[in-house]
Amino acid sequence: KQEVTQIPAALSVPEGENLVLNCSFTDSAIYNLQWFRQDPGKGLTSLLLIQSSQREQTSGRLNASLDKSSGRSTLYIAASQPGDSATYLCAVGGGSEKLVFGKGTKLTVNP
Amino acid sequence: DTEVTQTPKHLVMGMTNKKSLKCEQHMGHRAMYWYKQKAKKPPELMFVYSYEKLSINESVPSRFSPECPNSSLLNLHLHALQPEDSALYLCASSLLPGQGLNTEAFFGQGTRLTVV
Repeated sequence: KQEVTQIPAALSVPEGENLVLNCSFTDSAIYNLQWFRQDPGKGLTSLLLIQSSQREQTSGRLNASLDKSSGRSTLYIAASQPGDSATYLCAVGGGSEKLVFGKGTKLTVNP
Repeated sequence: DTEVTQTPKHLVMGMTNKKSLKCEQHMGHRAMYWYKQKAKKPPELMFVYSYEKLSINESVPSRFSPECPNSSLLNLHLHALQPEDSALYLCASSLLPGQGLNTEAFFGQGTRLTVV
């Protein structure tokens, strides 16, 4: 059974810092991995999707990497801004329609 | 258009009521999902529809009844709910692996359900 762990559970940084969020998974036989952001009481916004054959994906200030063999993904946020404050969720797709979510990292960027 | 639209945004219902949640997407996605999310927890999968057929039911109580009338619409019918069913209900859609490589999931903004 796939298990997804996100570390840290919460992170508080000053504005302008570069930061890394971590996601690990137990079964390396994944189809893809997706990073989401969720604002309080809102739905999930897709940030980046990495296919199992890819090593990284970039979108603006965000860069996500994937190392299937070690069961790890990282989300790098450059030059953080207060608007980046949210909960970031990692979800692993196994080839069926199911996504297995981590518990998320709550990020606070202080002005 | 990468939008998944859910209605209503908020719903308060009594334990004897019958209500329905609605979800719509026009991205040509043939997989549609219902998730339940409690406060400070990750989303939990409830149901998956593939090509308008129920493919996954995560042992959800029968007081929740999903329906997929066509490839763009997904409903969740609610009946005789309990206060512990209060949560954010999220709809999502994606391409199926057979439709293409990019099976990115898109979520709606959710329906905040309160059962009184």
